[in-house]
Amino acid sequence: DAGITQSPRYKITETGRQVTLMCHQTWSHSYMFWYRQDLGHGLRLIYYSAAADITDKGEVPDGYVVSRSKTENFPLTLESATRSQTSVYFCATRLAGSSSYEQYFGPGTRLTVT
Amino acid sequence: QQQVKQSPQSLIVQKGGISIINCAYENTAFDYFPWYQQFPGKGPALLIAIRPDVSEKKEGRFTISFNKSAKQFSLHIMDSQPGDSATYFCAASITSGTYKYIFGTGTRLKVLA
Repeated sequence: DAGITQSPRYKITETGRQVTLMCHQTWSHSYMFWYRQDLGHGLRLIYYSAAADITDKGEVPDGYVVSRSKTENFPLTLESATRSQTSVYFCATRLAGSSSYEQYFGPGTRLTVT
Repeated sequence: QQQVKQSPQSLIVQKGGISIINCAYENTAFDYFPWYQQFPGKGPALLIAIRPDVSEKKEGRFTISFNKSAKQFSLHIMDSQPGDSATYFCAASITSGTYKYIFGTGTRLKVLA
């Protein structure tokens, strides 16, 4: 049972380039989330999705685009990468209707923008 | 009002000691307070969580204390072990809404052997 996979795990890109980070889950959880983790800021929500074709902004959405055409995939695109987007990105899922409210996190993608 | 303030930023504890991490929130609509544990190079994982209808929840060596009137909650790790060395995040959520978490800034715990 793979759970949540993120790819790539590490990425170095240049300022101005478009980058897509992939998130795939095998659980069919309705909710999916993208967070960025930065020292001193903890985890901040970028975008989330309640179901396929339903997405909404989180705390820090500027410079990012998401889509969710299939329940299992939730790609995050940086349209024109900036140095301030250097971070570790985590994808998470949650089962709708669950009373535990737990979010399950992937292993993360470390992105460096030069 | 959406912030969750976490302290301390880092903590060093001797093996066998008690580790205490504190969080405070402003939004009284929050009704779910989880703690996540993160080891280096891994994603966060749920450690323990509490709802505001109880003042304390214990799971093994880990206890959440919740003070609704003060809008504060804390994680206590009893008999701390070197294997507990990790970063701990508190969070808050409104369960009737969109299930978004607001995370604290994290506490890096190091337990000395």
